[in-house]
Amino acid sequence: KQEVTQIPAALSVPEGENLVLNCSFTDSAIYNLQWFRQDPGKGLTSLLLIQSSQREQTSGRLNASLDKSSGRSTLYIAASQPGDSATYLCAVLYGNNRLAFGKGNQVVVIP
Amino acid sequence: NAGVTQTPKFQVLKTGQSMTLQCAQDMNHEYMSWYRQDPGMGLRLIHYSVGAGITDQGEVPNGYNVSRSTTEDFPLRLLSAAPSQTSVYFCASNRARTSTEAFFGQGTRLTVV
Repeated sequence: KQEVTQIPAALSVPEGENLVLNCSFTDSAIYNLQWFRQDPGKGLTSLLLIQSSQREQTSGRLNASLDKSSGRSTLYIAASQPGDSATYLCAVLYGNNRLAFGKGNQVVVIP
Repeated sequence: NAGVTQTPKFQVLKTGQSMTLQCAQDMNHEYMSWYRQDPGMGLRLIHYSVGAGITDQGEVPNGYNVSRSTTEDFPLRLLSAAPSQTSVYFCASNRARTSTEAFFGQGTRLTVV
């Protein structure tokens, strides 16, 4: 069974600092890894998708890395802003099109 | 382009009542799935479908039924609602196993009293 862990569960940072969010998964046989953002009471918004053959993916201030062999991914958010406050979810696609999610990193950016 | 549409957004049920959560996608995606999200538990897979006429159980299927008669629609049925089914439900879709991203609906917040 694929298990996904996100550390830390919650963190607060001052505005302007870089954010580093970690995700680990137990089975390296994945098709891709996806990072989502979820605001309170809202749905999931896809941020970045990393294919299993890729090492990293970038979009604006966001950069995600993937080390499939060690079962790890890291999401970097540069120069954090109060609008980055949200819960960030990591999910891996594996098996018969199954997505396994971590429990999320709850982020608060303090102005 | 609507993406993945879920209805209703909110619902309150009494224990023992039945209802259907609707999910529709307009991206011609083969794969569709239902998740529930509970505090401290993350998102857990209930049922999924790899195409019209094909469904399978996920991690927490008990108490839920699904069918997939068309590519576009994937309804989730609660036959006899229980308080333990109070949760936020999300529907997702993605293309066949070509490593494309999954798209999610906005969720249905269900309370069973």
